[in-house]
Amino acid sequence: DTGVSQDPRHKITKRGQNVTFRCDPISEHNRLYWYRQTLGQGPEFLTYFQNEAQLEKSRLLSDRFSAERPKGSFSTLEIQRTEQGDSAMYLCASSVTVTSGANVLTFGAGSRLTVL
Amino acid sequence: DAKTTQPTSMDCAEGRAANLPCNHSTISGNEYVYWYRQIHSQGPQYIIHGLKNNETNEMASLIITEDRKSSTLILPHATLRDTAVYYCIVRLSTSYDKVIFGPGTSLSVIP
Repeated sequence: DTGVSQDPRHKITKRGQNVTFRCDPISEHNRLYWYRQTLGQGPEFLTYFQNEAQLEKSRLLSDRFSAERPKGSFSTLEIQRTEQGDSAMYLCASSVTVTSGANVLTFGAGSRLTVL
Repeated sequence: DAKTTQPTSMDCAEGRAANLPCNHSTISGNEYVYWYRQIHSQGPQYIIHGLKNNETNEMASLIITEDRKSSTLILPHATLRDTAVYYCIVRLSTSYDKVIFGPGTSLSVIP
């Protein structure tokens, strides 16, 4: 088990372009989360999945953002028509549902987006 | 989930114990206290959690007051690699949805 993997680690794009980030969670984890983090701030929740179902979306997730987890394994986060305000670190985390006890999130290293 | 309050920043001398406080005065009886930390340019990392009793693992100790309204994360012998932002989070044990992060405490370990 290599933990949560995110790709790419860094992405520089021009305003107006589309970008896609991929997250591969820990294999037995059925919950997957996306967060966004800007400099000096804590991570902000964007959305999460249980298996392939997207259970919640933050109001931060505008219509330009879409996330999928088609087979309940890896997930993609796409940003269309990027804006400079989208520049941030995009973090993915996964966890496994347990009937009692802690629900501990394991985070990936993140994908840093810079929109020029 | 209950709201938490943490100092914005703290310093600690290398080799000394780092004691990071967290206030959670509105915590309910079935809410756990979790701690995560985030080293620069990395994703957050789980440290420890607890309900009522003090907890210890290989990374840290968690001391929860008897009334559960506050807690302290203790790094017994801080090293330079412990320089990070530390997040205190309170949530239900059966809550599997989003984890809300506050601004946390920026800990600087000084040589």
